[in-house]
Amino acid sequence: DTEVTQTPKHLVMGMTNKKSLKCEQHMGHRAMYWYKQKAKKPPELMFVYSYEKLSINESVPSRFSPECPNSSLLNLHLHALQPEDSALYLCASKREKGDTEAFFGQGTRLTVV
Amino acid sequence: AQSVTQLGSHVSVSEGALVLLRCNYSSSVPPYLFWYVQYPNQGLQLLLKYTTGATLVKGINGFEAEFKKSETSFHLTKPSAHMSDAAEYFCAGGLEAAGNKLTFGGGTRVLVKP
Repeated sequence: DTEVTQTPKHLVMGMTNKKSLKCEQHMGHRAMYWYKQKAKKPPELMFVYSYEKLSINESVPSRFSPECPNSSLLNLHLHALQPEDSALYLCASKREKGDTEAFFGQGTRLTVV
Repeated sequence: AQSVTQLGSHVSVSEGALVLLRCNYSSSVPPYLFWYVQYPNQGLQLLLKYTTGATLVKGINGFEAEFKKSETSFHLTKPSAHMSDAAEYFCAGGLEAAGNKLTFGGGTRVLVKP
């Protein structure tokens, strides 16, 4: 199994809503990532979890709250988002060793209205 | 600090022609380098990677890339473009010292003309 599964695939939410994005992998990877990707741009790193602990937070606004309940799951909790937060949110995972590649999920297309 | 630069945000090639996508990196230590492809509304799929050892790396779908330390480059090539190669391509680099952080280039969109 070399898949990273993200749910939902599409999400439309209002600015006062609370929602969560989910990511799951069963490859035994201990590094997991959230990226945000705007149209025609490269992915921008948001968070990195290493062994279920937050290791990198790229100065992301607090309306985005990551959570890593166990080594296979990664969540991104969303609250009071703005329309400019609309984007494709990508989850990725990799083995801890630096020279290994990251495996990406298909992404969640988020629209904030 | 490390950065990855892709020269050319758009490349247009004819079907059957050579595809050449350019990637340069800047870091004091040669990084690990990756090429990913992204189709519309999809995630990123690994094409190939360079870590250590052989500098000419072969990947999926007929792509290959050569790591040239003297030129700080990792250009991606495919001898004969196919319509299915139309996509966005990203070069990315990682450093052992940077933990698990990947740095992406700006991306190159490939258009294949029949």
